[in-house]
Amino acid sequence: EIVLTQSPGTLSLSPGERATLSCRASQSVSSSYLAWYQQKPGQAPRLLIYGASSRATGIPDRFSGSGSGTDFTLTISRLEPEDFAVYYCQQYGSSPTFGQGTKVEIK
Amino acid sequence: QVQLVQSGAEVKKPGASVKVSCKASGYTFTSYYMHWVRQAPGQGLEWMGIINPSGGSTSYAQKFQGRVTMTRDTSTSTVYMELSSLRSEDTAVYYCARDLVPVVVPAAYAFDIWGQGTMVTVSS
Repeated sequence: EIVLTQSPGTLSLSPGERATLSCRASQSVSSSYLAWYQQKPGQAPRLLIYGASSRATGIPDRFSGSGSGTDFTLTISRLEPEDFAVYYCQQYGSSPTFGQGTKVEIK
Repeated sequence: QVQLVQSGAEVKKPGASVKVSCKASGYTFTSYYMHWVRQAPGQGLEWMGIINPSGGSTSYAQKFQGRVTMTRDTSTSTVYMELSSLRSEDTAVYYCARDLVPVVVPAAYAFDIWGQGTMVTVSS
């Protein structure tokens, strides 16, 4: 099983700032089968990025994904008030697994 | 619009079974794989298994083998997830989630549409 480790656990930022979230895999993720989801309290997760860097339908371009192999990054270029949430990475190259999440909170 | 609507919250005793439903609308039900993912309170996400609504074939995460059964009813565009021999650790929100790709290609195991979630509480 591929273990995903996300860092930091919590990111305290102000609206308008840039957020950089990391996801590290215990072994190489094949074909960059890496996705990112956003989850707000009481809601289901929402797909943001798949294939490491492709934005899902309707996702604003302030969200971008990058990386390959074992190291992946989600960047939010300028935080909007609605972006404060928990973010999960997920690998789907083999039996799917999720990271433990990074909480982006208002500073 | 594309949506998945799940059944309501359940409270079960240890050892019992629970069956959660997920009704799809806004797209051709048999064209996309469906998954089940759960989330224990305050915890992360855990994939449980997949069903192909077209033929009904399934594949389950090893952790749930022997305890989970996923089925579908094409006449009502509904998938079901039944979990048996419930224990307190099964207390969680259970989500159905549609696969990113259609059934004409191998499943992607990434999830573009999610249901609203069903809270299952296991308590004596």
